[in-house]
Amino acid sequence: ETGVTQTPRHLVMGMTNKKSLKCEQHLGHNAMYWYKQSAKKPLELMFVYSLEERVENNSVPSRFSPECPNSSHLFLHLHTLQPEDSALYLCASSQESLAGAQETQYFGPGTRLLVL
Amino acid sequence: AQKVTQAQTEISVVEKEDVTLDCVYETRDTTYYLFWYKQPPSGELVFLIRRNSFDEQNEISGRYSWNFQKSTSSFNFTITASQVVDSAVYFCALRPGSARQLTFGSGTQLTVLP
Repeated sequence: ETGVTQTPRHLVMGMTNKKSLKCEQHLGHNAMYWYKQSAKKPLELMFVYSLEERVENNSVPSRFSPECPNSSHLFLHLHTLQPEDSALYLCASSQESLAGAQETQYFGPGTRLLVL
Repeated sequence: AQKVTQAQTEISVVEKEDVTLDCVYETRDTTYYLFWYKQPPSGELVFLIRRNSFDEQNEISGRYSWNFQKSTSSFNFTITASQVVDSAVYFCALRPGSARQLTFGSGTQLTVLP
């Protein structure tokens, strides 16, 4: 496979469930991102991992828990979500130099999440 | 603070018409990057172009062209001879210098009718 893949593509969960979203990048990049896209709102950056370390967390509630076990994989663990968390969750990856220079972010197809 | 404005929420054109999507940005950084992404109904954000703030040359790629004007802080995108497959939401985005965060506009829904 090429590019950035995400599974599952669709997910319906109750507020008491625990689920995980998975992202895998096949581009050899060293930085990965989670974005949230809600209806009628611009894309919001949630988390950034660079070289497997979390480098940004944009005030995301603790019911969202990211994990980056290696530079190719990124997870978003979900628990006790609220209906307002229903959205499209997009993963992206990019190459980041040691000096901090950023290259273009490439996105996956997203997971469309519905919380009931 | 960064801001990207896409004033056109929805545009509808008939196939073969030319269409221009507007993007106006705000930043205090002297070094920054501008992007356009396409989001078809499937949801994936498809990268179209990246420009840095020091390169104001316009770019053409097939039916796509981009007009970057620092004087008006605009980075407009034109599709020539539009096709039904061009129907999608198009996002303009800005990233300052070495920052990681992309600031996206709210997107323009383009519908190309047969």
